[in-house]
Amino acid sequence: GAGVSQSPSNKVTEKGKDVELRCDPISGHTALYWYRQSLGQGLEFLIYFQGNSAPDKSGLPSDRFSAERTGGSVSTLTIQRTQQEDSAVYLCASSLDWAPLEQYFGPGTRLTVT
Amino acid sequence: AQTVTQSQPEMSVQEAETVTLSCTYDTSESDYYLFWYKQPPSRQMILVIRQEAYKQQNATENRFSVNFQKAAKSFSLKISDSQLGDAAMYFCAYRTQGGSEKLVFGKGTKLTVNP
Repeated sequence: GAGVSQSPSNKVTEKGKDVELRCDPISGHTALYWYRQSLGQGLEFLIYFQGNSAPDKSGLPSDRFSAERTGGSVSTLTIQRTQQEDSAVYLCASSLDWAPLEQYFGPGTRLTVT
Repeated sequence: AQTVTQSQPEMSVQEAETVTLSCTYDTSESDYYLFWYKQPPSRQMILVIRQEAYKQQNATENRFSVNFQKAAKSFSLKISDSQLGDAAMYFCAYRTQGGSEKLVFGKGTKLTVNP
C-alpha cells in the first residue's frame, strides 16, 4: 500500500513569509508525528497527534509554528514569519494505534529560508 | 529529559566486513524502547531494529543485531557482512513506554561502505 507522503518535496521561501507543509499518513493510521532535522543534527520532535486526543505540542520551538490534523488524516504544519534558522528537513511519520512501536516516515520536505 | 548520544559522527567499513555503531542514552525510567533507524540519501527513515528494555535477549534482524547493556545504558548496532546498500546515516532513538510516544534521536552516524 501507499506509504506516508509529504508535499512539497522542496520549498524555498523568503524570510518573513509563511509556509505550509503537508503530510498524508498511511490510511488507517491514527497517530501522526512531525519531526525537524536540521543540518548535521538528529531528528527533533515537534508535535504528535493521536486520534481525537489533544495533540502533544511540547516540541514546537516557538509560537510561529502550528499544526493541525483535519478529519483524523491529513496534517498541515504551518510556519509563520519564517526565519533562516527554520531551514531544515521536516519529516512526518504515522503509526497504528495498536502498534505504536513502528513509526513509518515520509520522505520529508526540505525547507530553505533565504 | 532523556538524551541519546552517538559518539561516532562517521564510520567506514569494507564490503563483507562487520561494523559496530555505538549509542548511549540517559534515562531514569526502567521501561522504554530503543531503535535504530537508517536514513539513505532519499531521506526516508527506515526502521532497522528495535529492542524492548524489559527483554534481556538482544534483538536480531538478519544481518543486524544489537548489544543492549541496560545497566550501562548502551545500545550498539552490529552490521555483519556489510553491503554497499547499507551505506546511510544511522540514528539511534529512544521512546518512553506510555505517555507521549515521541522518539528522541541521537545525531546520527554516517556509514560508508567501501567496495
